[in-house]
Amino acid sequence: EAGVAQSPRYKIIEKRQSVAFWCNPISGHATLYWYQQILGQGPKLLIQFQNNGVVDDSQLPKDRFSAERLKGVDSTLKIQPAKLEDSAVYLCASSLNGRPYEQYFGPGTRLTVT
Amino acid sequence: AQSVAQPEDQVNVAEGNPLTVKCTYSVSGNPYLFWYVQYPNRGLQFLLKYITGDNLVKGSYGFEAEFNKSQTSFHLKKPSALVSDSALYFCAVREGTGGFKTIFGAGTRLFVKA
Repeated sequence: EAGVAQSPRYKIIEKRQSVAFWCNPISGHATLYWYQQILGQGPKLLIQFQNNGVVDDSQLPKDRFSAERLKGVDSTLKIQPAKLEDSAVYLCASSLNGRPYEQYFGPGTRLTVT
Repeated sequence: AQSVAQPEDQVNVAEGNPLTVKCTYSVSGNPYLFWYVQYPNRGLQFLLKYITGDNLVKGSYGFEAEFNKSQTSFHLKKPSALVSDSALYFCAVREGTGGFKTIFGAGTRLFVKA
């Protein structure tokens, strides 16, 4: 079974630029999560989708972050404009409907904002 | 509000010795508890979970964890450590009833010396 795919793996941008990350979850996984992992900290949930609907986006900085999952499969996370404090690893995870306690994580995208 | 604490930034143990990585939690309802492991340049991998039932749960790679409700702890254990167990370990909690968000601890780096 293929795992969660993410791209790009690494991205370096200057502050105030925009960036987008892509995630393809495991086939059949209805729930998709985006996490932000700052160096030395645990992952923090940014947004959770159930199919193409948002379940929780309470910790998403909506003035600069946006995410979509139009067809209930792939998802994109965008930052515009980026700030220095957005430097982190952005992790995508997915889980089967009804089994949110077994999340499968992708390799992450390491973002550096200079 | 739910929270997770991993009191040790790093745990050092000799190969062949037993290891314990500590975790305490706080939730308002019944907890769902998890351990994940993160190897360098790889995504988080699910190790084990406690949902209900036996307080001692067994997971991947010979790891186990003990749920202690009175002490609100969920320590990760392994009887005999391997050098290959060296990694970053995250404890996570999710409220069992109606909770959508999984909260991760800050992580504990395990270093197993040959």
